[in-house]
Formats: sequence, structure tokens, C-alpha cells
Amino acid sequence: GQNIDQPTEMTATEGAIVQINCTYQTSGFNGLFWYQQHAGEAPTFLSYNVLDGLEEKGRFSSFLSRSKGYSYLLLKELQMKDSASYLCAVRDRRQLTFGSGTQLTVLP
Amino acid sequence: GAVVSQHPSWVICKSGTSVKIECRSLDFQATTMFWYRQFPKQSLMLMATSNEGSKATYEQGVEKDKFLINHASLTLSTLTVTSAHPEDSSFYICSARGGTGGSSYEQYFGPGTRLTVT
Repeated sequence: GQNIDQPTEMTATEGAIVQINCTYQTSGFNGLFWYQQHAGEAPTFLSYNVLDGLEEKGRFSSFLSRSKGYSYLLLKELQMKDSASYLCAVRDRRQLTFGSGTQLTVLP
Repeated sequence: GAVVSQHPSWVICKSGTSVKIECRSLDFQATTMFWYRQFPKQSLMLMATSNEGSKATYEQGVEKDKFLINHASLTLSTLTVTSAHPEDSSFYICSARGGTGGSSYEQYFGPGTRLTVT
């Protein structure tokens, strides 16, 4: 089975940087994903890490340490539209399992 | 990019009736499709995984006779909620993976179907 932990809520200010952490325990790790989900909508893909290190994609970066079972999503230059739930998801050989999500609120 | 559609986007039905939700991969062939359910303020919970032409694999606690999944082609999967009850009211989301035209590792999500059972 899999166990995925991430903070329930975070608040940050527009223009700031925020880091959302995710820890996981899994048998048969096959990649870690970050998704963004706005209320009432389906998740949208943000990033994918399968090897250790940092993946950068514009304002968003994601880091993975497989030995520590740890990942983080870094959001820079926060905008109001970044207010959403951020889901960490871990894939094993068979399926993708989602964490409970971190609700990020960006304040003006 | 790869696009997945779902129909209907929302549906209201009476208790005891059945509802069918369609999931289509529009510009790629999906070898595997997944059905998730999401209750308010909760994360996505995988209900079942289906591969084209074979029976779906259901997660523990999901009744296969109540949630019928058919993956008849590489571009279409359907979820039928049979004898729906108010507790089945939820946001149902499908995703698709694999095949040509889509990344082999990424799952592409449909826009979701909001089901309300009265």
C-alpha cells in the first residue's frame, strides 16, 4: 500500500514563494506527480519526478528525494490564480495514489 | 496535448435509477483508463482501473456490481452507477494513460462529472 502526507492548508502572499511538502511510503516507487485542482474542476498536471533532483517548469519547481520518501513543490512569484488545492500523487507498478491535497490560499 | 472528455458534466437523478458516464480520449489511444471519485474537500480516491478489452480491476471497498465499468475500445470507457443512492452523490473523474499520442507516464484527466442523487 501507499501512505502519502501533505499539509492540509497553507497561506501565502501574492508575489511570495511557497513550498508544499509531501512525504510518502510506498512499495515499488514508479514516479511522483504534482497536480493543481481548482474547486469543482478536475486536476491538471504540474510536474513529474522519477529521479532524484529538481525539475523546473516556469514558476513551478518540484524536487524529489527517493531515499527520504520526500518531495516538494515550489511556487514562485505567487499570483492570486494560484489559490487552489495541490495534490501530491505517487505511482507504484499499478496505480496512482493521491494525497489528501494542500489547499493554498494566496492573499493580496 | 492529449485531451480527455467526459459526458455528462453534471447529472441529477432519482434514487434507484442508473446513470452512465462516458470517458473518451479524443486524440490518443488510451490503453488504460482510471475512474476516481472525489467527495467534497477530499482527495481523489481510485475506484477502478480498466484496460481495453479486459475486465476492470476494482479497489477494495468498491462494489463491482454497483459500479459497472466497460472499456470497449481504446478511446472509450463507461462507468454506470446502478441503483444510485444519495450517498453515491460525488464528483466522478476519469483519466487515461498510454498509447500513441500521449505520454506513457502521464495520466490525462477528464473534466469530471458531478452526480447528484435525490
